[in-house]
Amino acid sequence: DADVTQTPRNRITKTGKRIMLECSQTKGHDRMYWYRQDPGLGLRLIYYSFDVKDINKGEISDGYSVSRQAQAKFSLSLESAIPNQTALYFCATAWGLNPETQYFGPGTRLLVL
Amino acid sequence: QKEVEQDPGPLSVPEGAIVSLNCTYSNSAFQYFMWYRQYSRKGPELLMYTYSSGNKEDGRFTAQVDKSSKYISLFIRDSQPSDSATYLCAMTPTNAGKSTFGDGTTLTVKP
Repeated sequence: DADVTQTPRNRITKTGKRIMLECSQTKGHDRMYWYRQDPGLGLRLIYYSFDVKDINKGEISDGYSVSRQAQAKFSLSLESAIPNQTALYFCATAWGLNPETQYFGPGTRLLVL
Repeated sequence: QKEVEQDPGPLSVPEGAIVSLNCTYSNSAFQYFMWYRQYSRKGPELLMYTYSSGNKEDGRFTAQVDKSSKYISLFIRDSQPSDSATYLCAMTPTNAGKSTFGDGTTLTVKP
């Protein structure tokens, strides 16, 4: 079984709908991250969490929210989806150790119509 | 200005060529330097990492860090079509800070 799983893997939704992307990990890592990837723009950090009680905004948090339900689970919500949130979303996990090497999930392809 | 700048590419080379992928950075606190490889429609995976300056070799891959110039490189020898992917550099400081990623360079190795 994969160490970092994301659900759903693909999602089509309409403008204005609320959508949740989920991430689970079996690696026991304390840190979890949400990124979006757009062609030519690389990985952009949305939110990150260093432990269950620690949530931090990344560079592009507007329009998104997160929940760290447990050490192993980190969910990303789009409260009211808009077309420019169409992207590939990745969850990643890591130990809070040197060096901080991240383990990525398989990604969720989101299309907002 | 971004903390980490990566040569944008795309890069297309014939099979067997030597490939050089490069990043520059501005934050002198960065001490660990990683390279991730991302195949199409997959998540990035760690390829290798180095600490501070110097070279590190792993098979056909060599990571090189020049801290005085704030410049890192990944060299691929005898490139193969299976090396076709996007390569992302990433860096962290020594206080277990989170990683900062470059935007990636897409490499295509043609048979």
